[in-house]
Amino acid sequence: AQSVTQLDSQVPVFEEAPVELRCNYSSSVSVYLFWYVQYPNQGLQLLLKYLSGSTLVESINGFEAEFNKSQTSFHLRKPSVHISDTAEYFCAVSGSGGYNKLIFGAGTRLAVHP
Amino acid sequence: DVKVTQSSRYLVKRTGEKVFLECVQDMDHENMFWYRQDPGLGLRLIYFSYDVKMKEKGDIPEGYSVSREKKERFSLILESASTNQTSMYLCASSFHSGTGGSGGYTFGSGTRLTVV
Repeated sequence: AQSVTQLDSQVPVFEEAPVELRCNYSSSVSVYLFWYVQYPNQGLQLLLKYLSGSTLVESINGFEAEFNKSQTSFHLRKPSVHISDTAEYFCAVSGSGGYNKLIFGAGTRLAVHP
Repeated sequence: DVKVTQSSRYLVKRTGEKVFLECVQDMDHENMFWYRQDPGLGLRLIYFSYDVKMKEKGDIPEGYSVSREKKERFSLILESASTNQTSMYLCASSFHSGTGGSGGYTFGSGTRLTVV
């Protein structure tokens, strides 16, 4: 069975500092990996995804994540955060076949302080 | 703009009531999902549907049922609401993996249900 572990429930950081949100998964099959972001009082939005090919994937707002198969990780990074990045971030995994069912981690709350 | 619409943003219901949460998507997606979101627990899958009139239990189906009579609509039913069902409920939809399902989910804005 697949599972996702987000190692930090909360990450406080100052504005313009770098940040890394950690995600590890377990799966015996090929996987797709996703990061979703949830701003206060909103639903989840897709931030970025890894399906195949280059192990480094990027979002339009400066986040990037690297798929590391040997460490079964998909950590999310940003070199310089803004106040507007304050949100909850969810890592998710799905198998590459079947009904495309996503398994989510417990979430990491990123709090950016001025 | 493609979207998933949940009929209510906030709901307050009494213990024992039958509660209907509605979700509609306009993307012709085959799959639809209902999750509940609780602090520290992330999203937990209640039920999902991969076709009209088809449904599968997720990880926490107890106390819930679903209905999918049309492709675009997926309803979550709390047969007899209890206080431990107070939560944020999120609906999502996607294509099957073989038809573009690798694009991930599209989520609704959520329904915050309080059972008193």
